[in-house]
Amino acid sequence: QSVLTQPPSVSGAPGQRVTISCTGSSSNIGAGYDVHWYQQLPGTAPKLLIYGNSNRPSGVPDRFSGSKSGTSASLAISGLQAEDEADYYCQSYDSRLSALVFGGGTKLTVL
Amino acid sequence: QVQLVQSGAEVKKPGSSVKVSCKASGGTFSSYTISWVRQAPGQGLEWMGRIIPILGIPNHAQQFQGRITITADKATSTAYMELSSLRSEDTAVYYCAREKVYSTSSSTTYYFDSWGQGTPVTVSS
Repeated sequence: QSVLTQPPSVSGAPGQRVTISCTGSSSNIGAGYDVHWYQQLPGTAPKLLIYGNSNRPSGVPDRFSGSKSGTSASLAISGLQAEDEADYYCQSYDSRLSALVFGGGTKLTVL
Repeated sequence: QVQLVQSGAEVKKPGSSVKVSCKASGGTFSSYTISWVRQAPGQGLEWMGRIIPILGIPNHAQQFQGRITITADKATSTAYMELSSLRSEDTAVYYCAREKVYSTSSSTTYYFDSWGQGTPVTVSS
């Protein structure tokens, strides 16, 4: 059971927009800790996608955006492309556990 | 640009130990934090612990208490993670990753901007 809760899967057609939620609690996201997102293509290491809730590292397309409100955060992907098919993970810090924590991951399928 | 290169795949017996290395190039090794994250087959990511080479002080997630040792060798820019008393549930891909700090006026958190390629560890009798 992951500390941060994500939907197991989402899907969308090419060109569409999808969102992935990440729900936490008062000891992590709700305590004000920021959320970061990673993309993991099959058989590869995770790659940083969004840091500090909504910041994109250099090289990440602006089709990817993030937001945070209350005890939850969201990753939005617009203009879906076939190469976006991957697993996506949110990550934050939990003060009760004194640990970095991840969501369980969401598998994005591009129809 | 930091590059992290990990040691190769391991097969271990239950009850034994495994030591995985992570060699860094680019950047100043001793000035940043290296974390270890694992991923069991078909499962999500799990943070295991970290070390700041310049301080040599590790810390780890509670569930690995007593089984994990994280060290760093500044001379060779290499971090190590040793896990003991292995059981079948420890079968996973183990990643090292560089941590970066993200600070605002209200909080400080950490994220991973560079990852190693992963080291598969299989625990089987």
